[in-house]
Amino acid sequence: GESVGLHLPTLSVQEGDNSIINCAYSNSASDYFIWYKQESGKGPQFIIDIRSNMDKRQGQRVTVLLNKTVKHLSLQIAATQPGDSAVYFCAENGAAGNKLTFGGGTRVLVKP
Amino acid sequence: GAGVSQSPSNKVTEKGKDVELRCDPISGHTALYWYRQSLGQGLEFLIYFQGNSAPDKSGLPSDRFSAERTGGSVSTLTIQRTQQEDSAVYLCASSLVMYEQYFGPGTRLTVT
Repeated sequence: GESVGLHLPTLSVQEGDNSIINCAYSNSASDYFIWYKQESGKGPQFIIDIRSNMDKRQGQRVTVLLNKTVKHLSLQIAATQPGDSAVYFCAENGAAGNKLTFGGGTRVLVKP
Repeated sequence: GAGVSQSPSNKVTEKGKDVELRCDPISGHTALYWYRQSLGQGLEFLIYFQGNSAPDKSGLPSDRFSAERTGGSVSTLTIQRTQQEDSAVYLCASSLVMYEQYFGPGTRLTVT
């Protein structure tokens, strides 16, 4: 079936380095993608989104890249900080109805 | 303003008992979603309410699960005859703009 998945379940990164989190999606009908951050004990929090008519979008210290040719989405975090330690989920809107399909998540661990 | 709230934050119940989980969405948000998140896993869609339309129940795993939304605001997710595999974090989200979902902190359900 259609799915959204992640390449790396856990990413360890040194404080101050850049982080890259990858996500593959399979539903070619998806035209809207979101990255969420979930800290321990909390609900997911919106980080950044991108529509399929764009291939790059920047926020504060974060950049999302979309490659529709290979159905790949990535989240780049610049100068990773301890507060960036969390699980990151990508989501797509390709499912029938106004629903998002979430990937399995990648845990980012920031080492001091 | 206030975000999405959920209660209780934690619930421990015995196998076979019924439980009710509550979600208070952001005021004015017309859409409300319920998700289930098992330990270390992604988000599994359960049910979606949009205004006065019939809910999308396509994600409910069995007929032991049901949900209602009264007055277009508060929602209750009910699990009857709970099983150990129902243990998970149940997340509620609301939105006004399509796909921009704001999540609550979740209810951690443990079935013993």
